[in-house]
Amino acid sequence: GAVVSQHPSRVICKSGTSVKIECRSLDFQATTMFWYRQFPKQSLMLMATSNEGSKATYEQGVEKDKFLINHASLTLSTLTVTSAHPEDSSFYICSAREYGNTRYTFGSGTRLTVV
Amino acid sequence: AQTVTQSQPEMSVQEAETVTLSCTYDTSESDYYLFWYKQPPSRQMILVIRQEAYKQQNATENRFSVNFQKAAKSFSLKISDSQLGDAAMYFCAYRSALFGNEKLTFGTGTRLTIIP
Repeated sequence: GAVVSQHPSRVICKSGTSVKIECRSLDFQATTMFWYRQFPKQSLMLMATSNEGSKATYEQGVEKDKFLINHASLTLSTLTVTSAHPEDSSFYICSAREYGNTRYTFGSGTRLTVV
Repeated sequence: AQTVTQSQPEMSVQEAETVTLSCTYDTSESDYYLFWYKQPPSRQMILVIRQEAYKQQNATENRFSVNFQKAAKSFSLKISDSQLGDAAMYFCAYRSALFGNEKLTFGTGTRLTIIP
């Protein structure tokens, strides 16, 4: 079946530094990738949608300069949290979809803690 | 914009019994997709079942089935013969069928507890 690998699973960084999270589709071409943020005991909030080779489309209220998304290949998308602050601490999840397919495959998530 | 509502923050069921999780949604579109996802403690999102709005027949996947009422904009999930492994957060999600509008809109989730 379709597999999406998300790395790292956990990361702790100091306030003011940047952190990169990778999301890879292992056995299919992810033409579209989605990045979500999930606070404890809450639902998934979509941050942005990225199509391979195009700029990401950010949801309202999401700072594009703070959450940099790159989707340069059909198998890899990255989310970089720049100048991280404690309020950026959260669980981040990626999801990938192949063109023409309504199946969404999720990564296992990244727990980011900013200290 | 579409919204998805799950009115039951928590539900519990005895092992081997049946439980139904509720989901309603609001949309002006006629064609769309609906999903139920399971998120166990590992936080991995797992697809439970999917329904295309143009299909009148309710989707089923083994012990999981849905009651899709398009006119009422209702999409409930029935879990039969509940097992301990079913304990998780369950999220209902909506996706438009319009080209270029591929994002999933999630409900707030229902935490399901299985009582041994």
